[in-house]
Amino acid sequence: KNEVEQSPQNLTAQEGEFITINCSYSVGISALHWLQQHPGGGIVSLFMLSSGKKKHGRLIATINIQEKHSSLHITASHPRDSAVYICAVRRHGGSQGNLIFGKGTKLSVKP
Amino acid sequence: DTEVTQTPKHLVMGMTNKKSLKCEQHMGHRAMYWYKQKAKKPPELMFVYSYEKLSINESVPSRFSPECPNSSLLNLHLHALQPEDSALYLCASSQIGLAKYNEQFFGPGTRLTVL
Repeated sequence: KNEVEQSPQNLTAQEGEFITINCSYSVGISALHWLQQHPGGGIVSLFMLSSGKKKHGRLIATINIQEKHSSLHITASHPRDSAVYICAVRRHGGSQGNLIFGKGTKLSVKP
Repeated sequence: DTEVTQTPKHLVMGMTNKKSLKCEQHMGHRAMYWYKQKAKKPPELMFVYSYEKLSINESVPSRFSPECPNSSLLNLHLHALQPEDSALYLCASSQIGLAKYNEQFFGPGTRLTVL
């Protein structure tokens, strides 16, 4: 079993829909990252969380440390949100750079 | 400046060539990383430099040779690569210290094709 599991693997939505991507992990962590990668492109860091909730524009990320679960929400989705969203965690006490990545969720938003 | 830059964007090389990938950041970060990403897979960590010293080498073949000439620059020297080394090579940087400050900032990547 992977230490970081994301669901769904693939998600297709209509423009304007509210989207939720989930991430569950099985190790103790010091931080959780949500990353965005457009096709063929580099990675953009969206959020880094260690507790609670963060909001940036139409994006909201939440984390429940007790349940070892995080969600990324996109409100009023737009075709430009189409990308792969990756959850990555830093293991508690892990060495510098030791991010454990999920396999990503491929989001496609149709106009 | 919150950007990590990488050059070149694309690179095609033969198996006998020697080439270098470059990465630069001016955020004052003292940790820099090289990742390799194959299609439809998450990134795989290759190397980590902390305070310009190599701190992690994830058993990467010696045909990949990293170099950190100063705190802003990170190079990856390539020699005698194999076609299976074709991938997107990502550079990242972060502060060092408490985990809550260690957000990694990624560059746009270099798309490498080995013929």
